[in-house]
Amino acid sequence: EAGVAQSPRYKIIEKRQSVAFWCNPISGHATLYWYQQILGQGPKLLIQFQNNGVVDDSQLPKDRFSAERLKGVDSTLKIQPAKLEDSAVYLCASSPPGTAPGELFFGEGSRLTVL
Amino acid sequence: AQSVTQLDSQVPVFEEAPVELRCNYSSSVSVYLFWYVQYPNQGLQLLLKYLSGSTLVKGINGFEAEFNKSQTSFHLRKPSVHISDTAEYFCAVSKAAGNKLTFGGGTRVLVKP
Repeated sequence: EAGVAQSPRYKIIEKRQSVAFWCNPISGHATLYWYQQILGQGPKLLIQFQNNGVVDDSQLPKDRFSAERLKGVDSTLKIQPAKLEDSAVYLCASSPPGTAPGELFFGEGSRLTVL
Repeated sequence: AQSVTQLDSQVPVFEEAPVELRCNYSSSVSVYLFWYVQYPNQGLQLLLKYLSGSTLVKGINGFEAEFNKSQTSFHLRKPSVHISDTAEYFCAVSKAAGNKLTFGGGTRVLVKP
């Protein structure tokens, strides 16, 4: 089966510019996650969707980050305006109904460099 | 809130030698424990998980881990590593009654010929 698809794989922008990342989860996976992985650190959850509703966005910097999951399938994560400290890999993951918490399927990530 | 500490940031090891990656967690409630592997330029992949039952769990590629509740540890082991095991390994925890996954900082394993 097809895995979690993310694009773009790489993006370089200047600080204060905006950027958007796209994620297409595995078909049938109701739960979708966005994680931020800063170099040398473990992934940190930014936002979790159940279908098209937000379950947890407690660690999303809402003054600059936004995410949506229209129609409960694809999702977009936006950063506006970007800061230097936003340089990271943004990982999208999904999980099907009925799995234990923590059993996630990850995409390859979108690497953001902010100059 | 739960937290995860991976005690070694890097572990160099020779091919066919054993390896152990250490992971300790803290949580005031029951947890599920996971090890994920990230090969270069790839996404994370589930290696193994502990949900309940036997404290020794076996995963893919010959890896195993042992849950020790008294020591709040979940160390990962492999008796004989291959060059292809070169990757970064992440320990993670989630509440048994919740759905938020918290990762450790990762351990980079470099297998040398």
